[in-house]
Amino acid sequence: EDQVTQSPEALRLQEGESSSLNCSYTVSGLRGLFWYRQDPGKGPEFLFTLYSAGEEKEKERLKATLTKKESFLHITAPKPEDSATYLCAVQGSGGSQGNLIFGKGTKLSVKP
Amino acid sequence: DTAVSQTPKYLVTQMGNDKSIKCEQNLGHDTMYWYKQDSKKFLKIMFSYNNKELIINETVPNRFSPKSPDKAHLNLHINSLELGDSAVYFCASSLGQGGQPQHFGDGTRLSIL
Repeated sequence: EDQVTQSPEALRLQEGESSSLNCSYTVSGLRGLFWYRQDPGKGPEFLFTLYSAGEEKEKERLKATLTKKESFLHITAPKPEDSATYLCAVQGSGGSQGNLIFGKGTKLSVKP
Repeated sequence: DTAVSQTPKYLVTQMGNDKSIKCEQNLGHDTMYWYKQDSKKFLKIMFSYNNKELIINETVPNRFSPKSPDKAHLNLHINSLELGDSAVYFCASSLGQGGQPQHFGDGTRLSIL
């Protein structure tokens, strides 16, 4: 069964304090690993897709990396506006019929 | 321009009623989805649908039914609402189903009294 586990559940950082969020996954035939950002009262906002181990993507202060078992979302010198819940999801080619399987998210708070 | 839009944003109703939530996307995508986000913020797929195929998550009660009048719209009908149906429902769309990112609406918060 495809599964996604995110850690930590919550993370508090001071502005400028870099850190990483973890997404561990098991999937039958990875089609893609996706990172989303969700603000309160809003829908998930797409950030990155990673397709194969070793791949990296960057956007402003965010960098996503992928291995065969996990993905990291690195946040460099975060600002208060980076505060949000970050969701990881995988899409496999097996029993989940290609649907996205989401983790429970990491709630990031960045204090000025 | 909103890419994926849902109406209404809030829906408060009595147990036993029947209600619908509408979803429209202007991205030209061919696949649409409905998700349920429970009180613990866990996002779970309910349906995926394209022109040819409806895939239903087996855990979804048959009181829930998606209806697609055309490729840009996927509405969600819910019959005989129960207290446990209270949640936020998200619509999403993607270009194809293989490895393509899904783009989400801002959700409909359903509260059952």
